[in-house]
Amino acid sequence: KAGVTQTPRYLIKTRGQQVTLSCSPISGHRSVSWYQQTPGQGLQFLFEYFSETQRNKGNFPGRFSGRQFSNSRSEMNVSTLELGDSALYLCASSSNLGQGNTGELFFGEGSRLTVL
Amino acid sequence: AQSVTQPDIHITVSEGASLELRCNYSYGATPYLFWYVQSPGQGLQLLLKYFSGDTLVQGIKGFEAEFKRSQSSFNLRKPSVHWSDAAEYFCAVGRPYGGATNKLIFGTGTLLAVQP
Repeated sequence: KAGVTQTPRYLIKTRGQQVTLSCSPISGHRSVSWYQQTPGQGLQFLFEYFSETQRNKGNFPGRFSGRQFSNSRSEMNVSTLELGDSALYLCASSSNLGQGNTGELFFGEGSRLTVL
Repeated sequence: AQSVTQPDIHITVSEGASLELRCNYSYGATPYLFWYVQSPGQGLQLLLKYFSGDTLVQGIKGFEAEFKRSQSSFNLRKPSVHWSDAAEYFCAVGRPYGGATNKLIFGTGTLLAVQP
C-alpha cells in the first residue's frame, strides 16, 4: 500500500510569490491534515479536511489556504510568501474522523519550502 | 491551555544503553497521547499511542511508554538503544477517538544522538 505522497519535495520561491503544495493520502483514507514544521516554532497545525470540508483550522493568517478534492487528495496554497514561511510542510492522512477513528496519522515526507 | 513539554532538547546515549525521553502535557480532557519519530529528511512515524487501559504501552522498534496521570507525563523508554535509533522524537497530545478532529499538539522534540 503506497504511503502519503507529497509533491514537490523541494522548492524555492521569492518573497511575494505564491506556492501550491499537493498531498495524496493513503488509498482509502478520507481525512487529510497539514502541519508546518520550523526550527523555531516546531510542528504547528494548519488545517484538517474530511470529505472535502475543512473541519479544523490552526492559527495561521489567511494567506494560508487549502482544499480537498473528491478523491481525498489535498492541496494547500500560500500566497504573498514571506521569509518566515520557509518551512517543511507535512501532510498526514488518517482513515476517518468521528466514531471509530483511531487517530493515527500517517505522515508524508514533506515539502520543503525555501523563501528567498 | 493545551501544551506538550519535552524538557530535553538534545540527548546523547551510548549504543546499548537505556533511554528515557520525557514528556509532560497540559490538556483539559483525558488526553490521547502519542510518540512519533522523525529521521532526517523524513516524515513522522508513529511509535506508539495511549488511549486508555493499561498505562504501559508497547510500540514498534522495542519502545514503550508509561502514562502517569498524577504527573501528567508520558515518558518514552527503550532498554537498549541501537545506532539506528538516532533521530528526533516528538510527543503529541490530542483527542481523536470519537471526536471530530485528528488535530495533535506536538512538543518541541528531543534530538537523540547515539554514540558507538
